Amino acid sequence: GESVGLHLPTLSVQEGDNSIINCAYSNSASDYFIWYKQESGKGPQFIIDIRSNMDKRQGQRVTVLLNKTVKHLSLQIAATQPGDSAVYFCADLNSGYSTLTFGKGTMLLVSP
Amino acid sequence: DTEVTQTPKHLVMGMTNKKSLKCEQHMGHRAMYWYKQKAKKPPELMFVYSYEKLSINESVPSRFSPECPNSSLLNLHLHALQPEDSALYLCASSQEITYEQYFGPGTRLTVT
Repeated sequence: GESVGLHLPTLSVQEGDNSIINCAYSNSASDYFIWYKQESGKGPQFIIDIRSNMDKRQGQRVTVLLNKTVKHLSLQIAATQPGDSAVYFCADLNSGYSTLTFGKGTMLLVSP
Repeated sequence: DTEVTQTPKHLVMGMTNKKSLKCEQHMGHRAMYWYKQKAKKPPELMFVYSYEKLSINESVPSRFSPECPNSSLLNLHLHALQPEDSALYLCASSQEITYEQYFGPGTRLTVT
């Protein structure tokens, strides 16, 4: 869901569960998408990316799905661990404009 | 080495002070960025440098002055800031402006 004011959408899961974080983007011309993880007090950390000519890409324990028809992006984290607790941002880039647009972010809380 | 370094880590300055934030990368990246991030919000783009030239200024007030002395360094000069400028200032770099961006840890700035 979308955040309002200072409240980030939050996803709470148990350790070992699979997590799915969703993101909607608005620019139909965007052709490159990135997921970032930001832990408290740190800068965003690149997790995985996908270009618009793909609809799925897998990394280590993470999968990104892209649905260009409905302008939706998701990040799946397998076997979620307490160290995965962070705020996750999606970002999209229109290579013609060359700047990243960040989504509002989702806080993932993983309890042992 | 995928590291972007930023100094200082924390900075407290008065509204009449002049200070500078520094960013460095040794990945051979030709694009560098400054972002501002408020609590529980996504990063907001301020400036983009491509091949050491300012290519994007997102209507940032003139009390923020960027400088790119060489391809590895990016500075942000601060003068006559306001308390509402207190935020986390993030530097990022990418191979080119349409590639994934790698972020530094940020400088936590407090304006008193």
